[in-house]
Amino acid sequence: EPEVTQTPSHQVTQMGQEVILRCVPISNHLYFYWYRQILGQKVEFLVSFYNNEISEKSEIFDDQFSVERPDGSNFTLKIRSTKLEDSAMYFCASSPMIGGPGELFFGEGSRLTVL
Amino acid sequence: AQTVTQSQPEMSVQEAETVTLSCTYDTSESDYYLFWYKQPPSRQMILVIRQEAYKQQNATENRFSVNFQKAAKSFSLKISDSQLGDAAMYFCAYRRRTGNQFYFGTGTSLTVIP
Repeated sequence: EPEVTQTPSHQVTQMGQEVILRCVPISNHLYFYWYRQILGQKVEFLVSFYNNEISEKSEIFDDQFSVERPDGSNFTLKIRSTKLEDSAMYFCASSPMIGGPGELFFGEGSRLTVL
Repeated sequence: AQTVTQSQPEMSVQEAETVTLSCTYDTSESDYYLFWYKQPPSRQMILVIRQEAYKQQNATENRFSVNFQKAAKSFSLKISDSQLGDAAMYFCAYRRRTGNQFYFGTGTSLTVIP
């Protein structure tokens, strides 16, 4: 069964460093998302992406964050200068459609630890 | 703003018994979707069940069913005949009919006792 895959599963970085989290969505899906979950808190929406542009973003997704679909398969989240509060589990998700009762298909997550 | 609340951080159930996980939400919308996702340890979240707000009938998927109370803005998940494989974190989620942002609760960690 097709899956969303994410790499790395865990990354440790120093504060101020750039981090790129990678995702391979399900191949025929058109909508891509990043969510994050700080330990013990809610899963929070960061950004959605469709047709090679951001379709929606949250207040969390400030200028330090960017997303890109550099080729036909990868979807990346870049954090330019990491802060301690960026430590979280980051989930990539994709869906084949927008609207309707469509579900999200999630990856296993990338755990980011900022020291 | 839409918020989703799961008031039970942890729950436990004996194998073969029934357990109900609670979820409430706040919205001013009349048409939306509600979801329960399951996240086993070190695995991705997978959809367990979904409910369309305009449907009065409660959704069911095998051993999983929901009690959807629209007026009370309540959406609980019932797991019947619990199995060891049901042990996981369960997230309740809301999405407006239009729009692509899901709102999640903080999750309920379910332990199944053999």
